[in-house]
Amino acid sequence: AQSVSQHNHHVILSEAASLELGCNYSYGGTVNLFWYVQYPGQHLQLLLKYFSGDPLVKGIKGFEAEFIKSKFSFNLRKPSVQWSDTAEYFCAVSLNSGAGSYQLTFGKGTKLSVIP
Amino acid sequence: EAGVVQSPRYKIIEKKQPVAFWCNPISGHNTLYWYRQNLGQGPELLIRYENEEAVDDSQLPKDRFSAERLKGVDSTLKIQPAELGDSAVYLCASMGREDRDEQFFGPGTRLTVL
Repeated sequence: AQSVSQHNHHVILSEAASLELGCNYSYGGTVNLFWYVQYPGQHLQLLLKYFSGDPLVKGIKGFEAEFIKSKFSFNLRKPSVQWSDTAEYFCAVSLNSGAGSYQLTFGKGTKLSVIP
Repeated sequence: EAGVVQSPRYKIIEKKQPVAFWCNPISGHNTLYWYRQNLGQGPELLIRYENEEAVDDSQLPKDRFSAERLKGVDSTLKIQPAELGDSAVYLCASMGREDRDEQFFGPGTRLTVL
């Protein structure tokens, strides 16, 4: 069964600091990769996704993630965080069956706190 | 476009009581999911519907949990009887045929079992 590991439970940064959140998955086949974000009091929303092609994907609000197949990783990055980035971030993986994979497996999440 | 709607947003019940959660997916979305999110964890799939058919319910504890999506639109998730360990946030998500794996989540129902 596939699994997703997020290395950091809670990350605290000052505004303007750079961010990198780790995500590793365990599955040998083709996968679709996602980062979801949950702002305080709000629902989960998609930050960015990777299906194929350029392994460096850009999402909303200046976030990007790099898929490194050899490392089974999909780390999330942002060069300069803002207070409004305070949220919980979830990495998720689904199997690419070609006909639509449908089932997401989520990591446990990383809580990001940005100090003004 | 309206998002996924869930109700109630919060529910507090005593153990052994029944409880039901309701979800209205985004219009036109044929795939509907129910997830459970425990504190400090990511969401875990309970059941997936394609239209009115439950195509993956392997993670649903069938002794006390049930779900239905009778007309392929709204869905209800029920727990009877509830146990203390059922305290969690129950999330509903939907996906359209053209969305290529992007699921749209509702705000969730936070259940507290006392």
